[in-house]
Amino acid sequence: AQSVTQLDSQVPVFEEAPVELRCNYSSSVSVYLFWYVQYPNQGLQLLLKYLSGSTLVKGINGFEAEFNKSQTSFHLRKPSVHISDTAEYFCAVRKDSNYQLIWGAGTKLIIKP
Amino acid sequence: DTGVSQDPRHKITKRGQNVTFRCDPISEHNRLYWYRQTLGQGPEFLTYFQNEAQLEKSRLLSDRFSAERPKGSFSTLEIQRTEQGDSAMYLCASSLEGVETQYFGPGTRLLVL
Repeated sequence: AQSVTQLDSQVPVFEEAPVELRCNYSSSVSVYLFWYVQYPNQGLQLLLKYLSGSTLVKGINGFEAEFNKSQTSFHLRKPSVHISDTAEYFCAVRKDSNYQLIWGAGTKLIIKP
Repeated sequence: DTGVSQDPRHKITKRGQNVTFRCDPISEHNRLYWYRQTLGQGPEFLTYFQNEAQLEKSRLLSDRFSAERPKGSFSTLEIQRTEQGDSAMYLCASSLEGVETQYFGPGTRLLVL
């Protein structure tokens, strides 16, 4: 069975500092990988996705992620965070036999002024 | 394109009552998904429709839960004889066949007293 692990439940970081949010997945087959963001009191919004091709994927709001097949990871990065990036970030993988998304538990990004 | 909408946004009910939630997907999307999200967790898959056909149901979806998509457009999720453990955010998402991205609505937050 597929599973997704987000290694940090909270990541505090100073404004304008870089950040990395970690995501590892388990799968025996090829997968599609996603990062979603959930701002306070809002729905889930797609940040970026990896389907195939280049392993470095760029998304909205200056975020990017790198797919590493050998390490089964899909870590999310941003070189300089802003207070408006305060949100919860979810990593998800698409199940290979249908379109169900399997989700990590989420990482809260806390921006310190 | 108005996005995925859900109604109501909040519902408070007493244990044992029935509740029904509605989801209106993006108009041209033929796939529709229901997820449940509890505090501190990522979403969990409940069920999936392609057009009007319900193609997959999670084992989380007990016999008290039923979902329909009668004309392949909007969907309803009904919970009968609600229990306090049903308190959660219920999320709806839609996608277009052949496109991997699921678009989420704002969710319906259910509180069972």
